[in-house]
This record gives sequence, structure tokens and C-alpha cells, in this order.
Amino acid sequence: GQQLNQSPQSMFIQEGEDVSMNCTSSSIFNTWLWYKQDPGEGPVLLIALYKAGELTSNGRLTAQFGITRKDSFLNISASIPSDVGIYFCAGQKYNFNKFYFGSGTKLNVKP
Amino acid sequence: EAQVTQNPRYLITVTGKKLTVTCSQNMNHEYMSWYRQDPGLGLRQIYYSMNVEVTDKGDVPEGYKVSRKEKRNFPLILESPSPNQTSLYFCASSLSKTSGNTDTQYFGPGTRLTVL
Repeated sequence: GQQLNQSPQSMFIQEGEDVSMNCTSSSIFNTWLWYKQDPGEGPVLLIALYKAGELTSNGRLTAQFGITRKDSFLNISASIPSDVGIYFCAGQKYNFNKFYFGSGTKLNVKP
Repeated sequence: EAQVTQNPRYLITVTGKKLTVTCSQNMNHEYMSWYRQDPGLGLRQIYYSMNVEVTDKGDVPEGYKVSRKEKRNFPLILESPSPNQTSLYFCASSLSKTSGNTDTQYFGPGTRLTVL
């Protein structure tokens, strides 16, 4: 069943604003991943996190692997219209074989 | 061009009529996987394969079968589809690293299946 709780479910923001979304779980994960999905396409990997406490940036995106290994957040700074889409967190447990996805955060950016 | 392809992209069928959704990747990836995406539930893993002839159940395998006879292909088989299998399906592939860390998982464009 669903193991990752992602919030918020949706966001409506103004262009230029910063955005934050997070993912929590009752289970420990060894890897946290953040994906973006554009309409009609498959998810695309944005950031991968491999160590507890790790903070990684990819342009205007920053993600952190929680110290407890049970959570992660993604920040987007200075949002632009092309940031619109659905963002998913995903985690892998110790065996590195199965992936678990959050339910997604739908981001809307007003120009 | 490195890619994951799925066919068909859209399919409407009836309950009980066997169907196969094909998935192919041209990146020589060992790891391949199938997901279904439903509103409010995100992506849920159906089956995955670590390499040829090695497959295992994901989170929601009931009602599905897979095979991995060749490295590049990983078809998803619904022997007797039911309406609750109406969903958006994604195939994905990635390299498997011996270190265990995940390599980038490339997703196909998706197959929208409707079972009447």
C-alpha cells in the first residue's frame, strides 16, 4: 500500500514565488528521489539523494534527505511558468529494487 | 536517441480479453519496471526485473504478468483484464549499479488503458 505521504496535494502560486513540498513516511528509506511529470509524459528525475542529511541542488531546485531517513523536502526558488506540473517524491528501501512513490504535488504558476 | 517506448499508447478493451502492453528500451539497461498511475495515488510499482529472466513483484502485482526473455523488452500482460485495471501505465528502465545506488530511471510515454 501507499507508504509515502506527500504534501501539499496542490499549490497555486505567483511567478517568482518560492515553493516547498515534502514527503514523509513511517518507514526508513535509503534513497529519496524527486520527479517532475509534465502532462502526457512520463516522470523525469530531478534530484536523487543517497545519504541522510544530504542537501542537493539542481539549478533553482534544492532537495534534502531527512536525518531520520523518513522524510525529504523539495524547494523551488523563483518559480517560473514552466515549473507547472506534478512533482513526485519516491523512495527506495535497503534492497534497492522496489520504488515507492508519493501521491504527487500539482503545481500551478500564474504568470 | 536513448528512449523507452511503449505500445500501444491508448487502448480500450473489454473485461476478460487478454492484452499485452509492450515496453522496449535501447539503453542496454538491466533494470526495468512497470507502474500504474491513478489519481490521488501516484505511481505504484507492479513488477520489476533486475535482468533477463529475473522478475519480481512490486506493490500491486495482482492481475498482471510480466516476462523478461530479452534485455531490451519487458512486456506487461493482463490475462483477464477487469475495470479496476483501467489506469495509466508506465514502463521504466535504469542501469543497476553494484553499489546499490539508483541510476536515473527513464520512463516511457505511458499507455492509457480503459477496460469496459
